[in-house]
Amino acid sequence: EAGVTQFPSHSVIEKGQTVTLRCDPISGHDNLYWYRRVMGKEIKFLLHFVKESKQDESGMPNNRFLAERTGGTYSTLKVQPAELEDSGVYFCASSQRQKNSPLHFGNGTRLTVT
Amino acid sequence: RKEVEQDPGPFNVPEGATVAFNCTYSNSASQSFFWYRQDCRKEPKLLMSVYSSGNEDGRFTAQLNRASQYISLLIRDSKLSDSATYLCVVNGRGSTLGRLYFGRGTQLTVWP
Repeated sequence: EAGVTQFPSHSVIEKGQTVTLRCDPISGHDNLYWYRRVMGKEIKFLLHFVKESKQDESGMPNNRFLAERTGGTYSTLKVQPAELEDSGVYFCASSQRQKNSPLHFGNGTRLTVT
Repeated sequence: RKEVEQDPGPFNVPEGATVAFNCTYSNSASQSFFWYRQDCRKEPKLLMSVYSSGNEDGRFTAQLNRASQYISLLIRDSKLSDSATYLCVVNGRGSTLGRLYFGRGTQLTVWP
């Protein structure tokens, strides 16, 4: 079974530019989550999709962040325009619909904004 | 106050040693508790769930004290391969399982 895959693995952009991160969850997983770890801080929740619907987006830091999951398969997270404080590792995770199904994380995208 | 607090370590122990990690959480309504392991520059991976009665998985034992809002992880007979960062994780009140709150992690290095 293929795991959660994220692309790119690394991205270096300048302040003010736009970056789009992609996540392919495990096939058949209805739940998809985005998390972020800023350097020196703990991993923090950003948002949660159930299929194509946003279940909870209360962790999104501001309106420069836009997440989509059209068709309920892969998801994208766009940052526009990027700021220095957006640097960090962005993790995607997916899980099955059943309650208490464990989360499977992708390898993450390391974003550096200069 | 942070949702989950952990001693960041680092813990440096010889092979074969027993090591214990502790964690406290602030939300008394949390219902699910976990220990995750994260290797350097890798993704977090579920090590074990933590149940109220305590549970064991091989060399790993997890304990939960709801009254004190305290979680522990005990590793016996440490191996070199146990070197990693251990993350204490809980879910929040009323939230889906997926909205997890992570501690900063406790770094463990096992030396030969």
